[in-house]
Amino acid sequence: SQQGEEDPQALSIQEGENATMNCSYKTSINNLQWYRQNSGRGLVHLILIRSNEREKHSGRLRVTLDTSKKSSSLLITASRAADTASYFCATDADMTTDSWGKLQFGAGTQVVVTP
Amino acid sequence: DVKVTQSSRYLVKRTGEKVFLECVQDMDHENMFWYRQDPGLGLRLIYFSYDVKMKEKGDIPEGYSVSREKKERFSLILESASTNQTSMYLCASSLRGATYEQYFGPGTRLTVT
Repeated sequence: SQQGEEDPQALSIQEGENATMNCSYKTSINNLQWYRQNSGRGLVHLILIRSNEREKHSGRLRVTLDTSKKSSSLLITASRAADTASYFCATDADMTTDSWGKLQFGAGTQVVVTP
Repeated sequence: DVKVTQSSRYLVKRTGEKVFLECVQDMDHENMFWYRQDPGLGLRLIYFSYDVKMKEKGDIPEGYSVSREKKERFSLILESASTNQTSMYLCASSLRGATYEQYFGPGTRLTVT
């Protein structure tokens, strides 16, 4: 079963615009992670935000976490054609076995950035 | 840099064949994972291993088995391939613990005919 669900499923924007995608999850978490996947490739880790953090930045990426609403958002500012990819949120799956590092991934948001 | 490699990028097998997918990581990670990815379903965990010879079922273990004889190598086995196992298979590794990122291999696109 999926813990995280991304919204929207697909997003099409022009270069220079901001892209925002959201992730909702169902149960308490230790942390939430965002990954990017270029077409036909493996996933690449972007950013991790812990449950006691509300906002985190990395370059053009900004992630927020609202544990009361069980939701997170990923903002990509000043998007580029190279940002075209699928973006996935992932949460640690089981609080009782948190030392094992299992993650549950959502279905992803497909982002297309046109020049 | 962490490197996770998978034995094949593309694989075509016939129904009923035994299929081996291999994954090797070079960063001494304790955890290794096998996922399958299908359109609209995201990544689903098949099996993971947190130590040599240790394994735990994921969400969809049916029809699969795994082997981890050495820390750096994690194999996924399809005992008798079926057409519904046509998918993208992704291997990942991580340090043990909840706050570590997973490092992914490039994936194996398996087609079963």
